[in-house]
Amino acid sequence: QVQLVQSGAEVKEPGASVTVSCKAFGYTLTTHYMHWVRQAPGQGLEWMGIISPGAGSTNTARKLQGRVSLTRDTSTNTVYMQLSSLRSEDTATYYCARAFGSDIHGRDGSDIWGQGTMVAVSS
Amino acid sequence: QSVLTQPPSVSAAPGQKVTISCSGSSSNIGSSFVSWYQQFPGTVPKLLIYGNDKRPSGIPDRFSGSKSDTAATLGITGLQPGDEADYYCGTWDNSLSAGVFGGGTKLTVL
Repeated sequence: QVQLVQSGAEVKEPGASVTVSCKAFGYTLTTHYMHWVRQAPGQGLEWMGIISPGAGSTNTARKLQGRVSLTRDTSTNTVYMQLSSLRSEDTATYYCARAFGSDIHGRDGSDIWGQGTMVAVSS
Repeated sequence: QSVLTQPPSVSAAPGQKVTISCSGSSSNIGSSFVSWYQQFPGTVPKLLIYGNDKRPSGIPDRFSGSKSDTAATLGITGLQPGDEADYYCGTWDNSLSAGVFGGGTKLTVL
């Protein structure tokens, strides 16, 4: 069964960094692009970035550039999202989502989502 | 302020049809595929429509998608109380080189 399993909830202080992992089961990372999306409490979806299946190249939201890093480990079929210099407004649920659909660059929908990882930033 | 504009809320009676609009520009909807998601409170978003008008396996044909120029529409027929959820449109913005979402629309089945 194809699924994405994310790491557990985190509580961080402002200024710290957090790393969220997303392990793929039932398929290999080298076949699909992977998006990261976050959702602040009571708010809408916010796109964070995408990592390619081949070379592992990345593209991240301008708002987060310099603070977000997307990486992957093909040996464990896991992708990682690291967000640094955390602020209170980074409090959100973070999702990895497998790209799916009609665009060869992964720029269409996402069919498989991780269960979400809640990151709370508070002093 | 979202790049894509959706109405904050829509409502309709059970059995009726509702449409949810998603307005963008030539750099996003006008030149990229549109997808739609359904999200119940506290749950993970679910893909309803991809490629503007295609349904993934398992999505009933009560859900439909369309696109015209810089706007997209999600249609839901035969409304059921279980359709009450938040709905989001998404696409790629070629000017931003980024994915973008609408602000979401809360559907109420009266």
